[in-house]
Amino acid sequence: QKEVEQDPGPLSVPEGAIVSLNCTYSNSAFQYFMWYRQYSRKGPELLMYTYSSGNKEDGRFTAQVDKSSKYISLFIRDSQPSDSATYLCAMSARSNYQLIWGAGTKLIIKP
Amino acid sequence: NAGVTQTPKFRVLKTGQSMTLLCAQDMNHEYMYWYRQDPGMGLRLIHYSVGEGTTAKGEVPDGYNVSRLKKQNFLLGLESAAPSQTSVYFCASSYSRDGYTFGSGTRLTVV
Repeated sequence: QKEVEQDPGPLSVPEGAIVSLNCTYSNSAFQYFMWYRQYSRKGPELLMYTYSSGNKEDGRFTAQVDKSSKYISLFIRDSQPSDSATYLCAMSARSNYQLIWGAGTKLIIKP
Repeated sequence: NAGVTQTPKFRVLKTGQSMTLLCAQDMNHEYMYWYRQDPGMGLRLIHYSVGEGTTAKGEVPDGYNVSRLKKQNFLLGLESAAPSQTSVYFCASSYSRDGYTFGSGTRLTVV
């Protein structure tokens, strides 16, 4: 079993819908949780960063961490075609800087 | 502000040939990383460096070597390329856990 599980999709939704992307993990030592967005033929770019539990909001994006369930989510409100990309979750423990990555979910927003 | 620059962007190698991928960052980051990304497998860490003159093995180091002679540069070498090393290679750098900055990738095909 992988340390971080992420549904590869693709997830296809109509423009304007609320999107929910999720990752589960097994290592209770993880403290730092990130979401990266990767457009086709580009490198990943940091989208959201959360420490420990709770929610963080940035514009149309909300990151949520539930450490008791070992589950993290990224919500996208009012989704746009420009949000079409692969979304990767990543996390790390307090003791080191190496990130453990999910495989990525491909998101398609249909106009 | 260039961020992380990878060269070359594309390369085709014959089995057994060698090559070096160059990564340069201008953000004065201590930490640098080399990843490979394959369909369905997400990002896998090859080697990383926590500072000038240091290197360490990641998840999939076999067949690769690295060097970090200067803080801003991190080189990835393939001594004898194999078809299994066909992949997209990403370099990243970071100051801390606040997130990695990725280059745009090198697409390598070994025939």
